[in-house]
Amino acid sequence: AQSVTQLDSQVPVFEEAPVELRCNYSSSVSVYLFWYVQYPNQGLQLLLKYLSGSTLVKGINGFEAEFNKSQTSFHLRKPSVHISDTAEYFCAVSDSGNQFYFGTGTSLTVIP
Amino acid sequence: GAGVSQTPSNKVTEKGKYVELRCDPISGHTALYWYRQSLGQGPEFLIYFQGTGAADDSGLPNDRFFAVRPEGSVSTLKIQRTERGDSAVYLCASSPRLNTEAFFGQGTRLTVV
Repeated sequence: AQSVTQLDSQVPVFEEAPVELRCNYSSSVSVYLFWYVQYPNQGLQLLLKYLSGSTLVKGINGFEAEFNKSQTSFHLRKPSVHISDTAEYFCAVSDSGNQFYFGTGTSLTVIP
Repeated sequence: GAGVSQTPSNKVTEKGKYVELRCDPISGHTALYWYRQSLGQGPEFLIYFQGTGAADDSGLPNDRFFAVRPEGSVSTLKIQRTERGDSAVYLCASSPRLNTEAFFGQGTRLTVV
């Protein structure tokens, strides 16, 4: 079974500053990687995904992430955050078993 | 509506009662997942259906939990003899095929009092 580690439980950042949310997973076998965002009292919304191909993937709302196989990481970045980016962010991994394994989440708070 | 629909959105029940949570996936999606999310935690896998059959039910915590998907579309998660520790948000997701993203519903918030 996979395990997913999101090292930062809370990340405060000033508006218009860059941000990186870290994600590491346990296995280097073929995996599919995802970042989801969850706004208060809502379900999970897909931000971006890595299935194959280019290791740099771009998602919605100006977010991007880079798959690093040697470091088993899939960190999420945004060059300039907005107040509306305040939310909970979850990294998820899926392998051949087709189950999705989630991290514990990172709470991003954008400070005006 | 083209998204995953879950009903009810909120359910309050007394300890020891039986509850059913319903999930209506996106039309044509063959894979369906149930997850449980406790406060401040990430979603925890419960069960995965491919079509009508449960392909992986290893996440069900005990035999009080059961899920069905009789016609390969709508799924029902059933919890018998509910306990206060069952209180959580139950999330359903569906996927069009293997090895791609899952689309999540808004969840059912279950509170056992």
